Amino acid sequence: DVKVTQSSRYLVKRTGEKVFLECVQDMDHENMFWYRQDPGLGLRLIYFSYDVKMKEKGDIPEGYSVSREKKERFSLILESASTNQTSMYLCASQGAMGQPTYEQYFGPGTRLTVT
Amino acid sequence: EDKVVQSPLSLVVHEGDTVTLNCSYEVTNFRSLLWYKQEKKAPTFLFMLTSSGIEKKSGRLSSILDKKELFSILNITATQTGDSAIYLCAVITSYDKVIFGPGTSLSVIP
Repeated sequence: DVKVTQSSRYLVKRTGEKVFLECVQDMDHENMFWYRQDPGLGLRLIYFSYDVKMKEKGDIPEGYSVSREKKERFSLILESASTNQTSMYLCASQGAMGQPTYEQYFGPGTRLTVT
Repeated sequence: EDKVVQSPLSLVVHEGDTVTLNCSYEVTNFRSLLWYKQEKKAPTFLFMLTSSGIEKKSGRLSSILDKKELFSILNITATQTGDSAIYLCAVITSYDKVIFGPGTSLSVIP
């Protein structure tokens, strides 16, 4: 069973704080993703990584950065948290193209509140 | 156990054909269903469906949800080689749980 874990389920931070969200997967997957989920907006892709030290911007990268120093770990960083970054953050991992299926496996999510 | 099933898993068509991709689900407390297109690296959002029977359209793509029969279809008319991709269906539950289906790999040949 694929396991994707996220460092916190609930997090409350103050405006201007630097926030780190950690994600770890144990299936040796190449691809990892960070999404945020807001009511009525579905999942929106923030950043993704298809290899160690590789990263690409998704649909809404502003205000975020990422780090992938090891294959199993993908971190999302909010350099200076703002109230409009209050959301549910979901990390996902996926095997490389060419495998029989392409499911993304999600972590449990981190509900971040910025006050 | 919550699950999302897609069919077919793989499909090869000729340019100009119309294709229908299927997604069925069994989840607790369904909230919405999403379709994504993934070409090389990351999925691109296509549609979000929440209500039954209301078709969503974007160019040659359209999708509809049937909450009674628990499925959705994604139609692509007049396919082009640029439609070649993996199409992912995902369901979000009221508990913010996201379940992706296995994906349908579509190849459109000239």
